[in-house]
Amino acid sequence: GAGVSQSPSNKVTEKGKDVELRCDPISGHTALYWYRQSLGQGLEFLIYFQGNSAPDKSGLPSDRFSAERTGGSVSTLTIQRTQQEDSAVYLCASQAGGRVDETQYFGPGTRLLVL
Amino acid sequence: EDQVTQSPEALRLQEGESSSLNCSYTVSGLRGLFWYRQDPGKGPEFLFTLYSAGEEKEKERLKATLTKKESFLHITAPKPEDSATYLCAAANNFNKFYFGSGTKLNVKP
Repeated sequence: GAGVSQSPSNKVTEKGKDVELRCDPISGHTALYWYRQSLGQGLEFLIYFQGNSAPDKSGLPSDRFSAERTGGSVSTLTIQRTQQEDSAVYLCASQAGGRVDETQYFGPGTRLLVL
Repeated sequence: EDQVTQSPEALRLQEGESSSLNCSYTVSGLRGLFWYRQDPGKGPEFLFTLYSAGEEKEKERLKATLTKKESFLHITAPKPEDSATYLCAAANNFNKFYFGSGTKLNVKP
């Protein structure tokens, strides 16, 4: 079956512009995560959705970042008024039921470059 | 503060030269310790989950072990195709994952 997909695969934008990044999780997976990976760094947690529960937004670095998940499936991460320090790879992952013992399946990421 | 630290940052091995990667963690309410492999330009790929001190898991040339403070990923007789970045992550009671910065492994033929 299809894995986690993300679009676009690459995005170049100018400082101050807004961007939207999309994640399509594996069908039926209730848990969805967004992470940010800067060059040569590990993954930085951004936000976690589990079913219909309120998302854990504790990792969002500023109020310029927001995310939503429509219909318990597709998720969009929005970055407003982008800054150069937002340049990174944004990774999405899904889990079947949101239990710790379940594998997180990652998408290929969106490479964002803010000029 | 919950955090995960990996060492070394980079490791160069000759084919067949065994070694170990380290992952130290301080995470409240640890529920699981995870190892992933990440190839350039791709998302991480799951390798192992460990749940309790003393647990060990193996897959081909890789073996992961866990103590109360750290985890090791042992690589036995590595091959060039094992070259990748290996990431460690610790998950807490709330299913929140803390990732280390990874160890970049390069195995020379």
